[in-house]
Amino acid sequence: DIVMTQSPDSLAVSLGERATINCKSSQSVSDSSDTRNHLAWYQQKPGRPPTLLFRWESTRESGVPDRFSGSGSGTDFTLTISNLQTEDVAVYYCLQYYSIPYTFGQGTKLEI
Amino acid sequence: EVQLVESGGGLVEPGGSLRLSCAASGFTFSDEWMDWVRQAPGKGLEWVGRIKSRAAGGTTDYAAPVKGRFSISRDDSKDTLYLQMDSLKTEDTAIYYCTTDIWDWGQGTLVTVSS
Repeated sequence: DIVMTQSPDSLAVSLGERATINCKSSQSVSDSSDTRNHLAWYQQKPGRPPTLLFRWESTRESGVPDRFSGSGSGTDFTLTISNLQTEDVAVYYCLQYYSIPYTFGQGTKLEI
Repeated sequence: EVQLVESGGGLVEPGGSLRLSCAASGFTFSDEWMDWVRQAPGKGLEWVGRIKSRAAGGTTDYAAPVKGRFSISRDDSKDTLYLQMDSLKTEDTAIYYCTTDIWDWGQGTLVTVSS
């Protein structure tokens, strides 16, 4: 199984500042045939289901503010949130969908 | 708009069974691969399993902790996904989410396994 490790486990950032969340996979999640990275990012607010922020590592979902960006390749990925807003307080998860079983990172709790 | 509505959760004793349903709307259900993901209270997300579309063979895959105990099926005529859970253990206690191949998510249904 591919192990996904996020860092840090929790993060406190001031309003208007930048938050950076890292996700490392135990093996590459990049498809050699098309070089796409099978990596997604989710946001989960308390009492709510997760919502998809990015698929294919950096393809932003409709409605996601451009303050959010995804980057990375191979085994190392980053979710960056610029100009942090109060509504960004949540737990963020990465997920690899390159191989079965799909596996999530342990989550990163973002606080203001 | 994609809508996924789970039902069937509740309290069950260890060793018991439960069947969850997920009613889908807003998209062509028969075309989609569907997954179940769970989240134990206060914990992270865990992929449970998936079923491919009929066109892709309709086969299923499962996470190791549930393999042999859980079974995923679908009724494309009813736009409904199912999760049959047998031989339940206390560690199966979680909110169970239905997803469109991990893109869109339902609100979840809580399963509590306890005596």
